[in-house]
Amino acid sequence: DGGITQSPKYLFRKEGQNVTLSCEQNLNHDAMYWYRQDPGQGLRLIYYSQIVNDFQKGDIAEGYSVSREKKESFPLTVTSAQKNPTAFYLCASSIAKRNTIYFGEGSWLTVV
Amino acid sequence: KQEVTQIPAALSVPEGENLVLNCSFTDSAIYNLQWFRQDPGKGLTSLLLIQSSQREQTSGRLNASLDKSSGRSTLYIAASQPGDSATYLCAVPDNYGQNFVFGPGTRLSVLP
Repeated sequence: DGGITQSPKYLFRKEGQNVTLSCEQNLNHDAMYWYRQDPGQGLRLIYYSQIVNDFQKGDIAEGYSVSREKKESFPLTVTSAQKNPTAFYLCASSIAKRNTIYFGEGSWLTVV
Repeated sequence: KQEVTQIPAALSVPEGENLVLNCSFTDSAIYNLQWFRQDPGKGLTSLLLIQSSQREQTSGRLNASLDKSSGRSTLYIAASQPGDSATYLCAVPDNYGQNFVFGPGTRLSVLP
């Protein structure tokens, strides 16, 4: 089945560690996105990519990094510079800008 | 800068009622508008997409309307069921068409 796969579903990070969240899509979509959702709050854009080897910062990019080496993959690294990383992270994709956007099931990150 | 709001923040209704969820956006020059459903701890599921040239879009018991001039969209749910309980979000492309601006959502509870 076509879709977006995020892994892991649950991740625990120690202070000072970098962690990477995986996002893979087999929808042949050009655009991919990472959002952060805090409990009871809306979605905030971290990074987005409209094409391979190119990505742009969103509203809250500080402390995060991404890469887009392949069309189907858009991993997000949460670095130690992100002081409050505990949140629900959502990856999404769309065939082109302004088209229907599809989401993965999300990843929970907790700092321990 | 495009902003999206949703009223009410939460809604509780008895099973069988028809209900309306509201979405407002500040810049009427939108390309389209999408409605999503989010179950607790899950990703977003696309429900309906309305193009700027459309007034309504229907899927089963769901009907979404769009009034660009007033900056409003409504999601009508007919004969609500407990399984409709979820958070409903709306989103529009941002002014540059590079990503999407989401509303904070309406948390719906349908009581048996």
